[in-house]
Amino acid sequence: QLQLQESGPGLVKPSETLSLTCTVSGGSISSNNYYWGWIRQPPGKGLEYIGTIYYSGSTHYNSSLRSRVTISVDTSKNQFSLKLSSVTAADTAVYYCARHEGGSSIFGPWGQGTLVTVSS
Amino acid sequence: QSALTQPASVSGSPGQSITISCTGTSSDVGGYNYVSWYQHHPGRAPKLMIYDVSNRPSGVSNRFSGSKSGNTASLTISGLQAEDEADYSCSSFTSSSTWVFGGGTKLTVL
Repeated sequence: QLQLQESGPGLVKPSETLSLTCTVSGGSISSNNYYWGWIRQPPGKGLEYIGTIYYSGSTHYNSSLRSRVTISVDTSKNQFSLKLSSVTAADTAVYYCARHEGGSSIFGPWGQGTLVTVSS
Repeated sequence: QSALTQPASVSGSPGQSITISCTGTSSDVGGYNYVSWYQHHPGRAPKLMIYDVSNRPSGVSNRFSGSKSGNTASLTISGLQAEDEADYSCSSFTSSSTWVFGGGTKLTVL
């Protein structure tokens, strides 16, 4: 059974870079036709798509975050990562990683999510 | 990319049916049959309930159904049960080859 787990600091200072890793178990991150994504949910707000990556390294990013976001993949570790630079309090959110099945609207499974707070 | 529009809350009594709407534009909901719905409880991973407008993943109750008309997609839950109480969010593919989510709807089972 495929499982995803987010990890990383729960507290980041303003203007610094948020870094999270998603570890995939029970399946290969290099599987054809599957993309790997990051989605976040600020407190009291809806879900927000951050971006997705294919195992080859091809990425798609939310245009509103594009200038600050980098998603990368490490196939040897079966992990993919998120870096969000110059964070502010508005980036405080629960961050989820999820698998996206190409050619469909399927996002799943999802990780449990990790709360990242931006505060000094 | 603006978030898809969902009602903030809906409610219904056990056994009743409710419908949650998800309104976008011709650049997302109206332009593609790539709309999905997720159920999520605080502190838990979101769960896929409907994909590609009206398809149900295996294991999801047939009380859940999806549809789309123009720029608005809908999730209908029939025979409401207490366990259905949760937040529900829609998602759509966009003309930018990215994804956009709705603001979420809190379902209360009275």
